[in-house]
Amino acid sequence: DGGITQSPKYLFRKEGQNVTLSCEQNLNHDAMYWYRQDPGQGLRLIYYSQIVNDFQKGDIAEGYSVSREKKESFPLTVTSAQKNPTAFYLCAATQGIGVNTEAFFGQGTRLTVV
Amino acid sequence: QKEVEQDPGPLSVPEGAIVSLNCTYSNSAFQYFMWYRQYSRKGPELLMYTYSSGNKEDGRFTAQVDKSSKYISLFIRDSQPSDSATYLCAMARYNYGQNFVFGPGTRLSVLP
Repeated sequence: DGGITQSPKYLFRKEGQNVTLSCEQNLNHDAMYWYRQDPGQGLRLIYYSQIVNDFQKGDIAEGYSVSREKKESFPLTVTSAQKNPTAFYLCAATQGIGVNTEAFFGQGTRLTVV
Repeated sequence: QKEVEQDPGPLSVPEGAIVSLNCTYSNSAFQYFMWYRQYSRKGPELLMYTYSSGNKEDGRFTAQVDKSSKYISLFIRDSQPSDSATYLCAMARYNYGQNFVFGPGTRLSVLP
């Protein structure tokens, strides 16, 4: 079954802690994305990567970091610099540039600061 | 003004009703228009994808784009309780994922 796997499903962070959210895909898609979803707001882009070892900031990158060492993996670290990290985080992948570029999403990680 | 606006709902309809979900947008450069369905605590999944203006039909779902009015709609015929979800519209100027702009979503409940 091709898809995107995010883990963990739920994550609790203490103040001042860094936490890493995992995203793995077996779709062989080139581009991967991290979004943040808050109630009443559209998905907001945090970071994206079009190829291995390259990534770009999205609209709300402050307080987050990513890496893309393998095509299949795009982990997101929420650092202590992110002042309001409680949200639902979604990882997505697209084939790349082309017609009908569907974004496939993972099932999300809900992060809560305790 | 937000780039993409969508009535957040919640919208409750009886089973079998025709549902109309709508988004308005301000950027006339948008060319690609999408509707995603998101069940509670799950990731969104693509329902419909259209390029430029016009209608597109897929089973019980019809997507409509009116670029002159900057307005897109998703119609659901013969709605079912399994259609209960949040519906997100998304649009983009270029067909690159990083360009997608999402609406906040409309929560729909179809009552049996």
